[in-house]
Amino acid sequence: LAKTTQPISMDSYEGQEVNITCSHNNIATNDYITWYQQFPSQGPRFIIQGYKTKVTNEVASLFIPADRKSSTLSLPRVSLSDTAVYYCLVGGKAAGNKLTFGGGTRVLVKP
Amino acid sequence: DSGVTQTPKHLITATGQRVTLRCSPRSGDLSVYWYQQSLDQGLQFLIQYYNGEERAKGNILERFSAQQFPDLHSELNLSSLELGDSALYFCASSVGDFGTSGGNEQFFGPGTRLTVL
Repeated sequence: LAKTTQPISMDSYEGQEVNITCSHNNIATNDYITWYQQFPSQGPRFIIQGYKTKVTNEVASLFIPADRKSSTLSLPRVSLSDTAVYYCLVGGKAAGNKLTFGGGTRVLVKP
Repeated sequence: DSGVTQTPKHLITATGQRVTLRCSPRSGDLSVYWYQQSLDQGLQFLIQYYNGEERAKGNILERFSAQQFPDLHSELNLSSLELGDSALYFCASSVGDFGTSGGNEQFFGPGTRLTVL
């Protein structure tokens, strides 16, 4: 069962790049890494997912080293509206699969 | 709006009672997931169904059960409720089975806030 660890909180300023790292030392071969954003009293929202190397979409990039024991979500040029909790999720199509969310990182973007 | 609907939005009940939470996935999605989010526990995966079959189980208590019906909606049954069961319960859906193409992007509903007094 892949356990994930994330920093509890991070502060940043508008226009800066924010990088959040999630550790998942016991990640299994079939596990994917997915990141979600959650605002207060709302359901999480999908940001990005990857299996290895680098993935980029219109809102973020995801960096996964070769050993896949960690992953880094990169948010370029954050704005105040990016203030939220960010979760990494590790899981895959393995027997007895369990989807494991990290504890979440509370990102505060300041003006 | 994710397209996932959950009812009710709020539920207040007493210890020892039983409640049923309902989820309708996005049109076309075959997978349904249930999560519990409490202040001190973060997001905890409970159970996943894919096209009516149980696919994966998290740390779901024996007092809790779920099912996915032929029309793909799902219900989470919580019985013998305890104070510690007070939490936000989220349902999510995805097109495919988790770990497959189209299965990893989950769309979350707005949640049901359960308060056990």
